[in-house]
Amino acid sequence: DAKTTQPPSMDCAEGRAANLPCNHSTISGNEYVYWYRQIHSQGPQYIIHGLKNNETNEMASLIITEDRKSSTLILPHATLRDTAVYYCIVRVHSGNTGKLIFGQGTTLQVKP
Amino acid sequence: DTGVSQNPRHKITKRGQNVTFRCDPISEHNRLYWYRQTLGQGPEFLTYFQNEAQLEKSRLLSDRFSAERPKGSFSTLEIQRTEQGDSAMYLCASSLAVTVPYGYTFGSGTRLTVV
Repeated sequence: DAKTTQPPSMDCAEGRAANLPCNHSTISGNEYVYWYRQIHSQGPQYIIHGLKNNETNEMASLIITEDRKSSTLILPHATLRDTAVYYCIVRVHSGNTGKLIFGQGTTLQVKP
Repeated sequence: DTGVSQNPRHKITKRGQNVTFRCDPISEHNRLYWYRQTLGQGPEFLTYFQNEAQLEKSRLLSDRFSAERPKGSFSTLEIQRTEQGDSAMYLCASSLAVTVPYGYTFGSGTRLTVV
């Protein structure tokens, strides 16, 4: 699985968009980008995933660059409850153990 | 279905004692995973089951650790002769094999403190 690089921490004002970057310059053609987040004292929670097209769901949007070497998770209107550690994971979609390899992630602090 | 349940939520034990944690996955999920998380780090994979078969174990899972999933339902993780380095959050997750890795549901974890 390709390695990812994320900033260790970010701040965002409540109600503003939070843009969390992730670099994955060694991503392979069959590897997807997944985002999970972990709110304090809880287990990680799946947010979104994508291959090469931009994706949107009720939680967030995922923007993947054309060369697929980086991506950005966007929380359009951050709330205090979005304060969490956000993990970007790159891996193949299926056909194996399904284990996730987490890095240290980005700690997002949403401030009032 | 109330999601993935882990018990106990917290466990304090003396060094050298044995501890056992339990995970109850979402009932229709055939995959069950154990992860360990230390302070400031992301979760690290320990082992996983498909139904009752344990199919992979990480090098992190020393011979003091054993996991079981009898009848493919709940799972237990036992640590024998605990050491202070075992202090961590132990997370369980379940999924359907066909929906990995986006279909994971994690429990809230068991926090182990070895004193």
